[in-house]
Amino acid sequence: SAVISQKPSRDICQRGTSLTIQCQVDSQVTMMFWYRQQPGQSLTLIATANQGSEATYESGFVIDKFPISRPNLTFSTLTVSNMSPEDSSIYLCSAQRGVGEKLFFGSGTQLSVL
Amino acid sequence: TQLLEQSPQFLSIQEGENLTVYCNSSSVFSSLQWYRQEPGEGPVLLVTVVTGGEVKKLKRLTFQFGDARKDSSLHITAAQPGDTGLYLCAGQNSGGYQKVTFGTGTKLQVIP
Repeated sequence: SAVISQKPSRDICQRGTSLTIQCQVDSQVTMMFWYRQQPGQSLTLIATANQGSEATYESGFVIDKFPISRPNLTFSTLTVSNMSPEDSSIYLCSAQRGVGEKLFFGSGTQLSVL
Repeated sequence: TQLLEQSPQFLSIQEGENLTVYCNSSSVFSSLQWYRQEPGEGPVLLVTVVTGGEVKKLKRLTFQFGDARKDSSLHITAAQPGDTGLYLCAGQNSGGYQKVTFGTGTKLQVIP
């Protein structure tokens, strides 16, 4: 199994600022994904973090708002830029060794924007 | 866009009852997974199904993948309070853009 360390675990931010969330996996993984989740609701995929190339974004999410880095096979960051209260949510990092295999999740980042 | 619709959205039952959760899509998936999530934690994998018509059992939980690999069901026998949580199905394809898409979720409460 893989262990994912995600930080910060929570933050309270002012509107207009940016927050970078870090995700560190204890072993190399093929795929890494970033999700957003409102409490008690399902997960919405923001983007797939591609190693060495630009992330693949889902409809409704753009690079200028959610820039993602993935410099190697064990690390990724998601930045929430120019935040507004609507960005308040739980952000989850996940990793997968191969297609159809288990998704491992970080503990999540609970973001509140005032 | 691949959508996975789950039903019911909410379910509150008494301990000992049986229940079934459905996961339906108009798209074909190479594999489908079921996860359970508890508050403050990430989803935890319960099972992966990859073959159309496949049935897998995990103690009191029975999972089935539809013949056309577009739908799945989760049946819980004699539910217990420990089964309480958010149940999520998730589909993935092996070719092209290999993203993992989660279903709309089913919130289950088992009352002692």
